[in-house]
Amino acid sequence: ETGVTQTPRHLVMGMTNKKSLKCEQHLGHNAMYWYKQSAKKPLELMFVYNFKEQTENNSVPSRFSPECPNSSHLFLHLHTLQPEDSALYLCASSQDIRGGSGSGELFFGEGSRLTVL
Amino acid sequence: AQSVTQLGSHVSVSEGALVLLRCNYSSSVPPYLFWYVQYPNQGLQLLLKYTSAATLVKGINGFEAEFKKSETSFHLTKPSAHMSDAAEYFCAVRGLGSSASKIIFGSGTRLSIRP
Repeated sequence: ETGVTQTPRHLVMGMTNKKSLKCEQHLGHNAMYWYKQSAKKPLELMFVYNFKEQTENNSVPSRFSPECPNSSHLFLHLHTLQPEDSALYLCASSQDIRGGSGSGELFFGEGSRLTVL
Repeated sequence: AQSVTQLGSHVSVSEGALVLLRCNYSSSVPPYLFWYVQYPNQGLQLLLKYTSAATLVKGINGFEAEFKKSETSFHLTKPSAHMSDAAEYFCAVRGLGSSASKIIFGSGTRLSIRP
């Protein structure tokens, strides 16, 4: 199995739908991240979880709701999205370095391409 | 707050020519620095990282980067470009202390290779 797996790879949804993106990592990491990648914009950090605890919420609208049931799984629940939310959503994992050791480089999944109609 | 600036959103070089992608960081303390590559319809892959062990860092696919504190730079180079190097390249920084939980990315540089 690959290190970080994201499903689905492609998702089309209407503005009133509810859907979820799933991320699973097989690297033994204890930190997981959601990033948003829009055309012609830098990668935007959305959420960070360390040991299942949310440690960063980068002012993300409440229509995006993350869930981290354990250190290997991360979800992004989507509800009443807007067309401008169409983007590539990237999940990543790393070792937790808040204790001061290691560089904590990110390992990314291949992304979920979301289109909101 | 930590940040990185990538100069040039698009760089085009001939096959066999030198590749130079520029990155400057803002930090009063040498942070952790990274270069990632993204091929079309894929996630990001780590090319190399700076962790203060050595100022010249070698990565995969023949790429290397040099950390220069005096210039707050971490430019990515490759002596001879291959067609397969065409991709988007991102410089990134991880902060220290209270900023350690997040990695911030630059806006990216798209590298094109001319035959």
